[in-house]
Amino acid sequence: DQQVKQNSPSLSVQEGRISILNCDYTNSMFDYFLWYKKYPAEGPTFLISISSIKDKNEDGRFTVFLNKSAKHLSLHIVPSQPGDSAVYFCAARDSGNTPLVFGKGTRLSVIA
Amino acid sequence: EAQVTQNPRYLITVTGKKLTVTCSQNMNHEYMSWYRQDPGLGLRQIYYSMNVEVTDKGDVPEGYKVSRKEKRNFPLILESPSPNQTSLYFCASRQGLGTDTQYFGPGTRLTVL
Repeated sequence: DQQVKQNSPSLSVQEGRISILNCDYTNSMFDYFLWYKKYPAEGPTFLISISSIKDKNEDGRFTVFLNKSAKHLSLHIVPSQPGDSAVYFCAARDSGNTPLVFGKGTRLSVIA
Repeated sequence: EAQVTQNPRYLITVTGKKLTVTCSQNMNHEYMSWYRQDPGLGLRQIYYSMNVEVTDKGDVPEGYKVSRKEKRNFPLILESPSPNQTSLYFCASRQGLGTDTQYFGPGTRLTVL
């Protein structure tokens, strides 16, 4: 059973507009959530994270929102740039020394 | 520079020929893991290790072995590779405590003919 779900395999957005990537999870024990970005031929790189005690975390153009009651988080990129085109993975884990659980990823294409 | 390194980056081999993909990190991280990435399936964990001599199975361990004899190294071993192990493999490490970040290596693209 998939504990972290990214239901949109791909997303296309115009340059300058907002990109919204969504992620749902099923495990109520998850309390730490991360977004990773992956370019072709490279390993995933950490983008932004959020702890369950918060509902929003912002870092420059990137903001992650967490809705614990809905078990849903989203990544907003404003404004989107062509260099943001990549695969974005949502990941989650609980507070213990446990593995990260990843979603299947969403491929974002930002069109100039 | 803090990094996770993997070797080789690309490998083409034949069914049944044992191979090892090395992974090394220079951040003194306790926690290391191996993932494979396949189209439509995302990142799936193969094995992980919480410290030296401590390893555990992830979601897709069949056909793989690992060892953690020293903190910095976590090799992935395919004793008898099969074509269904053709994939992109990533090693990762993190300190293992609290809200720490996990760092990934650059990936190893393996093709088993």
